[in-house]
Amino acid sequence: TQLLEQSPQFLSIQEGENLTVYCNSSSVFSSLQWYRQEPGEGPVLLVTVVTGGEVKKLKRLTFQFGDARKDSSLHITAAQPGDTGLYLCAGATSGTYKYIFGTGTRLKVLA
Amino acid sequence: NAGVTQTPKFQVLKTGQSMTLQCAQDMNHEYMSWYRQDPGMGLRLIHYSVGAGITDQGEVPNGYNVSRSTTEDFPLRLLSAAPSQTSVYFCASRATGARGNTIYFGEGSWLTVV
Repeated sequence: TQLLEQSPQFLSIQEGENLTVYCNSSSVFSSLQWYRQEPGEGPVLLVTVVTGGEVKKLKRLTFQFGDARKDSSLHITAAQPGDTGLYLCAGATSGTYKYIFGTGTRLKVLA
Repeated sequence: NAGVTQTPKFQVLKTGQSMTLQCAQDMNHEYMSWYRQDPGMGLRLIHYSVGAGITDQGEVPNGYNVSRSTTEDFPLRLLSAAPSQTSVYFCASRATGARGNTIYFGEGSWLTVV
């Protein structure tokens, strides 16, 4: 059973557009992470959020953790072709060490 | 600067064969895990370990065994390969003791079962 649902599953946009990716669950997470994966490689960490309502910015990327720590969003401003990749959220519930990954959002930014 | 090292990178197996995917990390991380990645399914946790001698099942453990005799190594064994186990496998490690520590992934092992 997948605990983390991401939407949309696929997204193809033009360079310069904005987009938001969502990560939702019925479980409460003690921490939530976002990763980006390039073809043929393992995922690489973008950000970690641990506090409900927390907002973190990484250049053109804005990450938000829901107040109840059950959901998160990733917003990209003025997308560029270099943002193309698979975006994955991952969460750990309190008292466990294991991280469960979301279903992924495959983003393609067209020049 | 090795990080997490997986071998082999590519493998083709016949149905019913057994094999072991090797994973080693040189960061002294307590936590290690194996994921499989299939199209549209994200990463699914197979097995994980929080230290030498300790292993536990993840979301999709059937058909796989693991052991953790040392901190560094965490091999994944396929006992009798099935076509449904065709996938990309990732080994990962991270330090414990704090929320949100980075998970470091290997480069992946592409396994095809025919």
